[in-house]
Amino acid sequence: EVQLVESGGGLVQPGGSLGLSCAASGFTFSNYWMSWIRQAPGKGLEWVAHTNEAGSDTYYVDSVKGRFTMSRDNAKNSLSLQMNSLRVEDTALYYCVGWGLVNCWGQGTLVTVSS
Amino acid sequence: DVVMTQSPLSLPVTLGQPASISCRSGQGLVDSDGNTNLNWFQQRPGQSPRRLIYKVSVRDSGVPDRFSGSGTGTDFTLKISRVEAEDVGVYYCMQHTHWPHTFGQGTKLEIK
Repeated sequence: EVQLVESGGGLVQPGGSLGLSCAASGFTFSNYWMSWIRQAPGKGLEWVAHTNEAGSDTYYVDSVKGRFTMSRDNAKNSLSLQMNSLRVEDTALYYCVGWGLVNCWGQGTLVTVSS
Repeated sequence: DVVMTQSPLSLPVTLGQPASISCRSGQGLVDSDGNTNLNWFQQRPGQSPRRLIYKVSVRDSGVPDRFSGSGTGTDFTLKISRVEAEDVGVYYCMQHTHWPHTFGQGTKLEIK
């Protein structure tokens, strides 16, 4: 069964840091482009970051550039998102998403930035 | 950024009746390989999104054939031939030709 499981969300103060992880199983992780996509409470979907199969090319939306770092470990079938200098507007459910033979989404991990 | 504009934003539909959602992109979505990278997603209440359609009109595995996608250039459409109760949710179009990849605002489908 294709599965993506995110972890690491929580409550953090503005200016703080948080690291998200995504564990992949049931598919050949190294063959998939991977993304982080977020959804603010009651709002639509926003692409945050995207990386190719090898992790050699990574793209970020302008609002997180310089603050977020996405990386992958194909040997461990894992994806991560390091988030620094967090802002209130980063509050959202963060999804780990895979793009390959199938499109797969995790259940999301909630990040709340608040004082 | 490529703006994706959906209409309507709210879509009340009677069970068994057809439904149609429009998506307009701010610029063309054909990539250097000649592919038009326009997808449709369904998000049921309390669930993660699920892709229904990719490359404008190709249904994902397991998607009922009552869902169909069409369009060219900058105008695209998702059609449901006969709405069922399980179709309730929010539908998003998305382009992944240009970075950043962008979603439409979402269309909320509800049963009348």
